[in-house]
Amino acid sequence: TQLLEQSPQFLSIQEGENLTVYCNSSSVFSSLQWYRQEPGEGPVLLVTVVTGGEVKKLKRLTFQFGDARKDSSLHITAAQPGDTGLYLCAGAGTGAGSYQLTFGKGTKLSVIP
Amino acid sequence: GAVVSQHPSWVICKSGTSVKIECRSLDFQATTMFWYRQFPKQSLMLMATSNEGSKATYEQGVEKDKFLINHASLTLSTLTVTSAHPEDSSFYICSAATSSYNEQFFGPGTRLTVL
Repeated sequence: TQLLEQSPQFLSIQEGENLTVYCNSSSVFSSLQWYRQEPGEGPVLLVTVVTGGEVKKLKRLTFQFGDARKDSSLHITAAQPGDTGLYLCAGAGTGAGSYQLTFGKGTKLSVIP
Repeated sequence: GAVVSQHPSWVICKSGTSVKIECRSLDFQATTMFWYRQFPKQSLMLMATSNEGSKATYEQGVEKDKFLINHASLTLSTLTVTSAHPEDSSFYICSAATSSYNEQFFGPGTRLTVL
């Protein structure tokens, strides 16, 4: 069974501050996705990282995939109130049933104006 | 692209009735669809994996006779909650997967309340 440890679980910061969310596992993933979910809505895919060491940027969001493809981080620069939401990381396996995603428990981010 | 719709967005029903939730991929053909359940302030819990034309694979602890899944085409999957009870009240979310990098695209979810 693959597990994905996501931290922190809750984060409340002031507008303009930086933050980093981590996802760690002892398992290797073929790819890792980051999603953002608003209350009462489905998760929205932000990015997919595939290659070990890969870094992707989406405006003020920077996503990194670990060299060994076991961990990932999401860094937000100068957070805005619009960044508030539940951030979920999800890893895709490498073997049979690799279509399934293993989800972290999520990070609930609140950005205070 | 990669839009997934879900219907209804919310439903209230009486205990003992059955409720059907539809999940459609609008602009792509999904090789696989998934059904999740999400409790308040928690992450997604996978209920079952569904491939077009074959029986769904249920996760441990999920009753296949209670949560009936039909995957009639590459763009439509349905989840029927049979003989619903108040403990089945939850947020149900479907997703559809493409073949590239196992990305899943999620529907907007269905809030089920069983009275």
